Amino acid sequence: EDQVTQSPEALRLQEGESSSLNCSYTVSGLRGLFWYRQDPGKGPEFLFTLYSAGEEKEKERLKATLTKKESFLHITAPKPEDSATYLCAVVGGGTYKYIFGTGTRLKVLA
Amino acid sequence: EAGVAQSPRYKIIEKRQSVAFWCNPISGHATLYWYQQILGQGPKLLIQFQNNGVVDDSQLPKDRFSAERLKGVDSTLKIQPAKLEDSAVYLCASRTGLLSGANVLTFGAGSRLTVL
Repeated sequence: EDQVTQSPEALRLQEGESSSLNCSYTVSGLRGLFWYRQDPGKGPEFLFTLYSAGEEKEKERLKATLTKKESFLHITAPKPEDSATYLCAVVGGGTYKYIFGTGTRLKVLA
Repeated sequence: EAGVAQSPRYKIIEKRQSVAFWCNPISGHATLYWYQQILGQGPKLLIQFQNNGVVDDSQLPKDRFSAERLKGVDSTLKIQPAKLEDSAVYLCASRTGLLSGANVLTFGAGSRLTVL
C-alpha cells in the first residue's frame, strides 16, 4: 500500500535558523512527489514537483531534494512568513492517486 | 487564470442534517478531486472524477456521502445524514493532463464543516 510519512510533526525555529523537513514514502513506481504549503484557513498551495531520484528544485529560501525513499525540504535562513504547514504527496504508477502525508507544522519566530 | 472556486466557505449543522458543497474547477481541467482534511491531518481522497465519470471512490463512505459532476465541469459533494466525525475541511482540487500523468493539483480554499 502506498504510504507517506512526514517528520517532524511540528518544528519551531528562530528566524535565520536553517533546518530540513522529511518526507518518507513507499510507492509502487513513483510518478511524482509534490510539496505544498498550507496556511491556516486556506487550501494547499503548490511549491515543487520532483520526478526522479537525484532531482533538486529551489525557490527563494526553499530547496527540495529527492532520493529513492525520501524527500527533504530544506529551509535556509527562514523568516516568520515561512510559518505554515508543509505537505508532501506522492503519485504512484499503480493507482495514480495523490497520497498526502500528515504535514509538518512550521513556526518561525522573529 | 481563475482558481478553483468552492462554496460555502463555512457551514455549521446539527448531526443527522444534510449539507452540500459545490466546486467549480479551473476551466479545461478534466480531472477533479474531493479531499477531506480533518484538523491536524493531511488531505484524504474521497472521490476522483475524470470528466463526468468516477475514477476512484473507494474511500467515499457511500452510505452517507455522494458526489456528482454533471457535464464534466462543476461538482457537488453531499453528506446525508451528517455525523460528528464528518467535521472537517472539504477540499476540491483539479488538474489538467492525462489521467495517467502526475501533474500539479490546484486546490480551492476549502469548505469548513462543523457538525454539532
